[in-house]
Amino acid sequence: SQTIHQWPATLVQPVGSPLSLECTVEGTSNPNLYWYRQAAGRGLQLLFYSVGIGQISSEVPQNLSASRPQDRQFILSSKKLLLSDSGFYLCAWRDRENTEAFFGQGTRLTVV
Amino acid sequence: GQNIDQPTEMTATEGAIVQINCTYQTSGFNGLFWYQQHAGEAPTFLSYNVLDGLEEKGRFSSFLSRSKGYSYLLLKELQMKDSASYLCAVIDSNYQLIWGAGTKLIIKP
Repeated sequence: SQTIHQWPATLVQPVGSPLSLECTVEGTSNPNLYWYRQAAGRGLQLLFYSVGIGQISSEVPQNLSASRPQDRQFILSSKKLLLSDSGFYLCAWRDRENTEAFFGQGTRLTVV
Repeated sequence: GQNIDQPTEMTATEGAIVQINCTYQTSGFNGLFWYQQHAGEAPTFLSYNVLDGLEEKGRFSSFLSRSKGYSYLLLKELQMKDSASYLCAVIDSNYQLIWGAGTKLIIKP
């Protein structure tokens, strides 16, 4: 069966510090991978998606970046965090284009 | 632009029935999902509709009318554990998922 791992679960970082969130998927190959951010009480905002190794599409211009160094690994990064980067970050994967998305546990990021 | 509308919040009583509506305007349509999200947790898949009509799964049912750009999620025999946010999402013509902001459902004893 397929599983998705996302870590860490919670993170408190000072303004200006770097960020690296990692997501890995097991049990499938060539998945579509997604990074979302969710503000408190709000819907999901798509940040990045990837259809293959090294292929990253950015939906929202900001100080975040994403990379896909391996087929089942998706990394969200920042060189310098802003207060506005605080939120709940979710990694997700989809097997084919018309199937549901499966989510990782999420990372609660607080920038202080 | 693409838009999905859901009520922000709804309140219902334990044991009752509640219907959560979702209307959408998207560039194309390739299916609609409903997800449940408990506070502080990731969304989990509830249902998928691609053809018009009602899909029933236990206490939960989901309805779709493509001509009206409308769906609803029906929850029967409400339990306290059903208190959560319910997210509607549409697959557009580019096979991207377009998400609604979610409906927070509060269940009272």
